[in-house]
Amino acid sequence: DVKVTQSSRYLVKRTGEKVFLECVQDMDHENMFWYRQDPGLGLRLIYFSYDVKMKEKGDIPEGYSVSREKKERFSLILESASTNQTSMYLCASRTGTGYTFGSGTRLTVV
Amino acid sequence: QQQVKQSPQSLIVQKGGIPIINCAYENTAFDYFPWYQQFPGKGPALLIAIRPDVSEKKEGRFTISFNKSAKQFSLHIMDSQPGDSATYFCAAKKPLSTLTFGKGTMLLVSP
Repeated sequence: DVKVTQSSRYLVKRTGEKVFLECVQDMDHENMFWYRQDPGLGLRLIYFSYDVKMKEKGDIPEGYSVSREKKERFSLILESASTNQTSMYLCASRTGTGYTFGSGTRLTVV
Repeated sequence: QQQVKQSPQSLIVQKGGIPIINCAYENTAFDYFPWYQQFPGKGPALLIAIRPDVSEKKEGRFTISFNKSAKQFSLHIMDSQPGDSATYFCAAKKPLSTLTFGKGTMLLVSP
C-alpha cells in the first residue's frame, strides 16, 4: 500500500513564525498535493506539484509556499503564520486518479 | 464558486438504515466522481468511484447512483453500521486536473 507520512500530528506555533509542514510518500508518485480542511468548508487545495521543482497554485495559495526538491518529499511553508491559518493540513499523492492522503497535521497558531 | 455541492451537512440514522448523501455539479467536463471516507484522526480514503458512462456502481454495502442529465450523484450505504460513522466527501475531476471536493457530510449511525 502507498504510504503518505506527515511528520507532525500536532503543531502549535506563534503568530509570525515560519512554519514547515513535511510530507513524504513512498511509492514514487509524481503528483503531490497540500489541502487544508476546515469544518463546513471541506477540503481546499493550497498547492500541488507534478514533478520535482515544479509547483502550481491551488484555490487558496495566499500565505503559503511549497518546496519539492526530491520526488518523495513535498513541504508546505507558512511564511509568517497567522491565526487564520489554524487548521488541519492534509498531504496527498496520486497515481492515475487515486489519491492517497496522509493522516494530517493539526496546526494551531496562537 | 462551489463546483461540487454536497448535502446534507450532517446526517443521523439508526443502525440498519440507508443513509443517502447527494452531490451536484455544474461542469460537464468532469469525468470521474469518487467518494472518500474519513474517520476521526485519519486522512480521507477512497471508498468508491464512478465514471459517467454508467448509472450505478456497487461495492459491498456502498452504492453510487449517477444521473448524468441531472448532473447529480449520490452515495447510498445499505444496512448501515455504527462503524460507518465518518465524514464522507464527494469529489469530481476533469481530465488533466485536480480533484474538486464537496464540503463533506458527517454521518452518525446510532446503535
